[in-house]
Amino acid sequence: DVKVTQSSRYLVKRTGEKVFLECVQDMDHENMFWYRQDPGLGLRLIYFSYDVKMKEKGDIPEGYSVSREKKERFSLILESASTNQTSMYLCASSLAGGLTETQYFGPGTRLLVL
Amino acid sequence: AQTVTQSQPEMSVQEAETVTLSCTYDTSESDYYLFWYKQPPSRQMILVIRQEAYKQQNATENRFSVNFQKAAKSFSLKISDSQLGDAAMYFCAYRGPVSNSGYALNFGKGTSLLVTP
Repeated sequence: DVKVTQSSRYLVKRTGEKVFLECVQDMDHENMFWYRQDPGLGLRLIYFSYDVKMKEKGDIPEGYSVSREKKERFSLILESASTNQTSMYLCASSLAGGLTETQYFGPGTRLLVL
Repeated sequence: AQTVTQSQPEMSVQEAETVTLSCTYDTSESDYYLFWYKQPPSRQMILVIRQEAYKQQNATENRFSVNFQKAAKSFSLKISDSQLGDAAMYFCAYRGPVSNSGYALNFGKGTSLLVTP
């Protein structure tokens, strides 16, 4: 089974802090994604990566950056956390191309910025 | 980004009954993928069913089936013999050609399904 893990289930940070959200997958997937989930808005794509050191902006990249130094790890960085970044963050991974298009999700990190 | 619309914020069904969740999408592409994901209260999103647009046959996975109407751009999920464990938020998602949007998914806003005994 594919396993996608996220470093924290719950996180409380203060405004202005630098925040790192880590995601690790164990299935050698090329693609990795960061989504933000807010009530009534569904999931919105922040960034994705289709290879090591590659990254692409999603629909709402402002205020975020990402890092992918190793294939299995994709980090989301909030350079200076703000209260409007309080949200649930979901990481996902998928195999590139072929017959499998399924994205596998981690359990999510609920971030509260005070 | 392509628009995915789930017009039912909440639905309710009795155990053992059948329920249909609606999803429409907007695209000018002919080749794409559609998905239904389930997110139970534990929060782990899991894939329920997927449909390739080039396939005319509707996908089926045990008690879950879809009604894919390509011309109408409609992709509804039918859950038969509903069980208490089906209670969750359900998300419809679209993925277009890789050349256009990479492998990212566009999600609807979700439908919360309540299953009553």
